[in-house]
Amino acid sequence: IAGITQAPTSQILAAGRRMTLRCTQDMRHNAMYWYRQDLGLGLRLIHYSNTAGTTGKGEVPDGYSVSRANTDDFPLTLASAVPSQTSVYFCASTPGQGASEQFFGPGTRLTVL
Amino acid sequence: GQNIDQPTEMTATEGAIVQINCTYQTSGFNGLFWYQQHAGEAPTFLSYNVLDGLEEKGRFSSFLSRSKGYSYLLLKELQMKDSASYLCAAMDSNYQLIWGAGTKLIIKP
Repeated sequence: IAGITQAPTSQILAAGRRMTLRCTQDMRHNAMYWYRQDLGLGLRLIHYSNTAGTTGKGEVPDGYSVSRANTDDFPLTLASAVPSQTSVYFCASTPGQGASEQFFGPGTRLTVL
Repeated sequence: GQNIDQPTEMTATEGAIVQINCTYQTSGFNGLFWYQQHAGEAPTFLSYNVLDGLEEKGRFSSFLSRSKGYSYLLLKELQMKDSASYLCAAMDSNYQLIWGAGTKLIIKP
Protein backbone atom coordinates (compact mmCIF):
# COMPACT_ATOMS: atom_id res chain seq x y z
CA ILE A 1 0.00 0.00 0.00
CA ALA A 2 1.07 3.57 -0.51
CA GLY A 3 -0.22 6.41 1.62
CA ILE A 4 -3.14 6.10 4.01
CA THR A 5 -5.92 3.54 3.91
CA GLN A 6 -9.18 3.59 5.84
CA ALA A 7 -11.73 0.87 6.44
CA PRO A 8 -14.58 0.46 6.01
CA THR A 9 -15.39 2.73 3.06
CA SER A 10 -18.92 3.14 4.36
CA GLN A 11 -21.04 1.72 7.14
CA ILE A 12 -24.60 1.89 8.38
CA LEU A 13 -24.78 1.34 12.11
CA ALA A 14 -27.60 1.02 14.62
CA ALA A 15 -27.53 3.50 17.48
CA GLY A 16 -25.92 2.08 20.60
CA ARG A 17 -23.55 -0.21 18.71
CA ARG A 18 -19.80 -0.09 19.07
CA MET A 19 -17.76 0.66 15.95
CA THR A 20 -14.05 0.95 15.16
CA LEU A 21 -12.85 2.85 12.13
CA ARG A 22 -9.45 1.70 10.96
CA CYS A 23 -6.62 3.85 9.63
CA THR A 24 -3.22 2.63 8.46
CA GLN A 25 -0.34 4.57 6.89
CA ASP A 26 2.89 3.26 5.41
CA MET A 27 4.78 6.57 5.19
CA ARG A 28 6.30 6.27 8.68
CA HIS A 29 4.69 9.56 9.62
CA ASN A 30 4.84 10.44 13.30
CA ALA A 31 1.67 12.51 13.61
CA MET A 32 -1.83 11.23 12.82
CA TYR A 33 -5.26 12.83 13.05
CA TRP A 34 -8.95 11.98 12.94
CA TYR A 35 -11.40 14.51 11.54
CA ARG A 36 -15.10 14.52 10.89
CA GLN A 37 -16.60 16.48 8.01
CA ASP A 38 -20.22 17.60 8.05
CA LEU A 39 -22.09 19.59 5.44
CA GLY A 40 -21.61 23.32 5.93
CA LEU A 41 -18.91 22.88 8.54
CA GLY A 42 -15.17 22.75 8.26
CA LEU A 43 -13.18 19.66 9.11
CA ARG A 44 -13.24 19.24 12.89
CA LEU A 45 -10.45 17.52 14.76
CA ILE A 46 -11.59 14.63 16.95
CA HIS A 47 -8.32 13.21 18.29
CA TYR A 48 -4.69 13.33 17.31
CA SER A 49 -1.43 11.57 18.03
CA ASN A 50 1.95 13.29 17.72
CA THR A 51 3.87 10.03 17.99
CA ALA A 52 3.30 6.36 18.76
CA GLY A 53 2.17 5.87 22.35
CA THR A 54 0.66 9.34 22.76
CA THR A 55 -2.77 10.75 21.96
CA GLY A 56 -4.58 14.03 22.50
CA LYS A 57 -8.09 15.44 22.33
CA GLY A 58 -9.16 17.72 19.53
CA GLU A 59 -12.14 20.02 19.18
CA VAL A 60 -14.89 17.36 19.30
CA PRO A 61 -13.61 14.30 21.25
CA ASP A 62 -16.76 13.32 23.16
CA GLY A 63 -18.05 9.87 22.27
CA TYR A 64 -14.80 8.86 20.56
CA SER A 65 -11.60 7.18 21.68
CA VAL A 66 -8.31 6.41 19.94
CA SER A 67 -5.16 4.41 20.51
CA ARG A 68 -1.69 4.54 18.92
CA ALA A 69 0.08 1.30 19.70
CA ASN A 70 2.49 1.67 16.77
CA THR A 71 3.48 4.20 14.09
CA ASP A 72 1.29 2.82 11.33
CA ASP A 73 -2.15 2.34 12.90
CA PHE A 74 -4.54 4.83 14.47
CA PRO A 75 -8.01 3.34 15.04
CA LEU A 76 -10.99 5.45 16.08
CA THR A 77 -13.66 3.83 18.27
CA LEU A 78 -17.23 4.90 18.87
CA ALA A 79 -18.18 3.15 22.10
CA SER A 80 -21.94 3.61 21.71
CA ALA A 81 -22.88 5.28 18.45
CA VAL A 82 -25.49 8.05 18.32
CA PRO A 83 -27.20 9.59 15.24
CA SER A 84 -25.24 12.85 15.66
CA GLN A 85 -22.10 10.87 14.84
CA THR A 86 -23.35 10.40 11.29
CA SER A 87 -20.58 11.99 9.25
CA VAL A 88 -17.66 11.42 6.92
CA TYR A 89 -14.52 10.56 8.85
CA PHE A 90 -11.05 11.31 7.53
CA CYS A 91 -7.77 10.08 8.88
CA ALA A 92 -4.66 12.15 8.09
CA SER A 93 -0.95 12.09 8.81
CA THR A 94 2.11 14.35 8.70
CA PRO A 95 5.82 13.56 9.05
CA GLY A 96 6.06 15.53 12.30
CA GLN A 97 4.23 17.94 14.53
CA GLY A 98 5.52 21.06 12.79
CA ALA A 99 4.01 22.98 9.94
CA SER A 100 3.75 20.53 7.08
CA GLU A 101 1.14 19.26 4.70
CA GLN A 102 -1.34 16.70 5.95
CA PHE A 103 -1.99 13.61 3.84
CA PHE A 104 -5.54 12.30 3.95
CA GLY A 105 -7.06 8.86 3.69
CA PRO A 106 -10.06 8.30 1.40
CA GLY A 107 -12.59 8.65 4.23
CA THR A 108 -15.27 6.53 5.87
CA ARG A 109 -18.91 7.48 5.42
CA LEU A 110 -20.74 6.49 8.60
CA THR A 111 -24.51 6.57 9.07
CA VAL A 112 -25.95 5.96 12.54
CA LEU A 113 -29.66 5.16 12.60
CA GLY B 1 -11.94 32.34 19.55
CA GLN B 2 -10.52 30.76 16.45
CA ASN B 3 -12.35 31.29 13.20
CA ILE B 4 -11.94 30.91 9.46
CA ASP B 5 -14.26 32.64 6.99
CA GLN B 6 -14.53 31.96 3.28
CA PRO B 7 -17.40 32.27 0.79
CA THR B 8 -19.75 29.31 0.59
CA GLU B 9 -19.95 29.14 -3.18
CA MET B 10 -18.53 30.85 -6.26
CA THR B 11 -19.21 30.46 -9.97
CA ALA B 12 -16.74 31.15 -12.77
CA THR B 13 -16.35 30.51 -16.48
CA GLU B 14 -13.97 28.06 -18.09
CA GLY B 15 -10.76 29.83 -19.11
CA ALA B 16 -11.30 32.72 -16.69
CA ILE B 17 -9.59 33.68 -13.42
CA VAL B 18 -11.14 33.36 -9.97
CA GLN B 19 -9.98 34.54 -6.55
CA ILE B 20 -11.18 32.77 -3.40
CA ASN B 21 -10.72 34.82 -0.24
CA CYS B 22 -10.16 33.62 3.29
CA THR B 23 -9.89 35.52 6.56
CA TYR B 24 -8.64 33.88 9.70
CA GLN B 25 -8.37 34.45 13.41
CA THR B 26 -6.28 32.01 15.42
CA SER B 27 -4.41 31.69 18.69
CA GLY B 28 -0.92 32.06 17.30
CA PHE B 29 -0.13 31.43 13.66
CA ASN B 30 2.09 28.89 11.95
CA GLY B 31 0.95 29.24 8.38
CA LEU B 32 -2.01 29.11 6.02
CA PHE B 33 -2.90 26.08 3.92
CA TRP B 34 -5.16 25.63 0.92
CA TYR B 35 -6.58 22.24 0.00
CA GLN B 36 -8.73 21.08 -2.91
CA GLN B 37 -11.51 18.58 -2.36
CA HIS B 38 -13.49 17.03 -5.17
CA ALA B 39 -16.96 15.75 -4.28
CA GLY B 40 -16.79 12.42 -2.48
CA GLU B 41 -13.01 12.49 -2.22
CA ALA B 42 -10.37 13.40 0.35
CA PRO B 43 -8.78 16.85 0.56
CA THR B 44 -5.47 17.22 -1.29
CA PHE B 45 -2.80 19.82 -0.54
CA LEU B 46 -2.46 22.83 -2.82
CA SER B 47 -0.32 25.43 -1.07
CA TYR B 48 1.25 26.68 2.14
CA ASN B 49 2.10 30.29 3.06
CA VAL B 50 3.80 31.42 6.23
CA LEU B 51 5.40 34.67 5.04
CA ASP B 52 3.60 37.62 3.50
CA GLY B 53 3.38 37.62 -0.23
CA LEU B 54 2.43 35.59 -3.24
CA GLU B 55 3.41 31.97 -3.89
CA GLU B 56 2.90 30.81 -7.47
CA LYS B 57 2.57 27.19 -8.49
CA GLY B 58 1.50 26.72 -12.08
CA ARG B 59 -2.08 27.89 -12.62
CA PHE B 60 -2.59 28.28 -8.86
CA SER B 61 -1.23 31.09 -6.67
CA SER B 62 -1.76 31.80 -2.99
CA PHE B 63 -1.33 35.10 -1.17
CA LEU B 64 -0.94 35.85 2.52
CA SER B 65 -1.14 39.04 4.59
CA ARG B 66 -0.41 38.22 8.22
CA SER B 67 -1.16 41.73 9.45
CA LYS B 68 -4.65 41.56 7.94
CA GLY B 69 -5.35 37.90 8.73
CA TYR B 70 -6.13 37.41 5.07
CA SER B 71 -5.30 34.99 2.30
CA TYR B 72 -6.54 34.28 -1.18
CA LEU B 73 -6.21 31.48 -3.68
CA LEU B 74 -6.02 32.55 -7.31
CA LEU B 75 -6.88 30.08 -10.04
CA LYS B 76 -6.02 31.01 -13.63
CA GLU B 77 -7.08 29.51 -16.95
CA LEU B 78 -9.91 27.65 -15.26
CA GLN B 79 -10.65 24.14 -16.43
CA MET B 80 -13.76 22.06 -15.81
CA LYS B 81 -11.71 19.74 -13.58
CA ASP B 82 -11.17 22.70 -11.21
CA SER B 83 -14.80 22.34 -10.10
CA ALA B 84 -14.32 21.36 -6.46
CA SER B 85 -14.41 22.74 -2.95
CA TYR B 86 -11.41 24.77 -1.80
CA LEU B 87 -10.59 24.57 1.89
CA CYS B 88 -8.68 27.26 3.75
CA ALA B 89 -6.95 26.18 6.99
CA ALA B 90 -4.81 28.16 9.42
CA MET B 91 -2.30 26.47 11.72
CA ASP B 92 -2.41 27.71 15.30
CA SER B 93 0.30 27.91 17.95
CA ASN B 94 -0.20 24.21 18.80
CA TYR B 95 0.33 23.26 15.15
CA GLN B 96 -3.32 22.26 14.87
CA LEU B 97 -5.22 23.17 11.70
CA ILE B 98 -8.34 25.29 12.01
CA TRP B 99 -10.47 24.69 8.92
CA GLY B 100 -12.92 26.86 7.05
CA ALA B 101 -16.14 25.30 5.77
CA GLY B 102 -14.85 25.41 2.21
CA THR B 103 -15.77 27.30 -0.94
CA LYS B 104 -17.58 25.31 -3.59
CA LEU B 105 -16.34 26.46 -6.99
CA ILE B 106 -18.63 25.84 -9.95
CA ILE B 107 -17.08 26.15 -13.40
CA LYS B 108 -19.41 26.83 -16.32
CA PRO B 109 -18.48 26.22 -19.98
